[in-house]
Amino acid sequence: EAQVTQNPRYLITVTGKKLTVTCSQNMNHEYMSWYRQDPGLGLRQIYYSMNVEATDKGDVPEGYKVSRKEKRNFPLILESPSPNQTSLYFCASSLRGAGSYGYTFGSGTRLTVV
Amino acid sequence: DAKTTQPNSMESNEEEPVHLPCNHSTISGTDYIHWYRQLPSQGPEYVIHGLTSNVNNRMASLAIAEDRKSSTLILHRATLRDAAVYYCILTVYFGNEKLTFGTGTRLTIIP
Repeated sequence: EAQVTQNPRYLITVTGKKLTVTCSQNMNHEYMSWYRQDPGLGLRQIYYSMNVEATDKGDVPEGYKVSRKEKRNFPLILESPSPNQTSLYFCASSLRGAGSYGYTFGSGTRLTVV
Repeated sequence: DAKTTQPNSMESNEEEPVHLPCNHSTISGTDYIHWYRQLPSQGPEYVIHGLTSNVNNRMASLAIAEDRKSSTLILHRATLRDAAVYYCILTVYFGNEKLTFGTGTRLTIIP
């Protein structure tokens, strides 16, 4: 089944403890992206990647890192999480960009930083 | 980025067609019109997209005005599972690969 898989689904962590949220797609998509969703603010893009070793900042990149060493994987790294990063995170992928192709989203990772 | 305007909420009866409107008066010639929906506790789900011509797929139809300043997502026969927030989004062909989500339309289906 074609899908975007995120792990974990739920995570509670403490301030400052480094964590990684993994994202993997099995559709050979070139484009991948991370979004966070917060009440009243909607979905906002954190980072995106156009292909392997090609990443760029979205609207809210502060406090996050990403890497794209393989086409299928696009992990989101929080080096020193803070409570304002408590949010619902979604990974998405697209064959070749959101313009002429749709994005497939993962099921989400609910992160709580205490 | 060109913006879209959608009603905050709509209601429809089950098994009836639903027409969800979207205004995008500042759309440019290279902007695609995308629709996504988000069911409770799930990630956004791609519904349909188009550029100039009307589009149909297994989920819905997209009707695009001739001047492209508005569009309508049509669910032909609403079911309870169609209750979701529907987002109308403009994207640029090979531009910044970003989906800019607005507040969308919360669709309620009445049994």
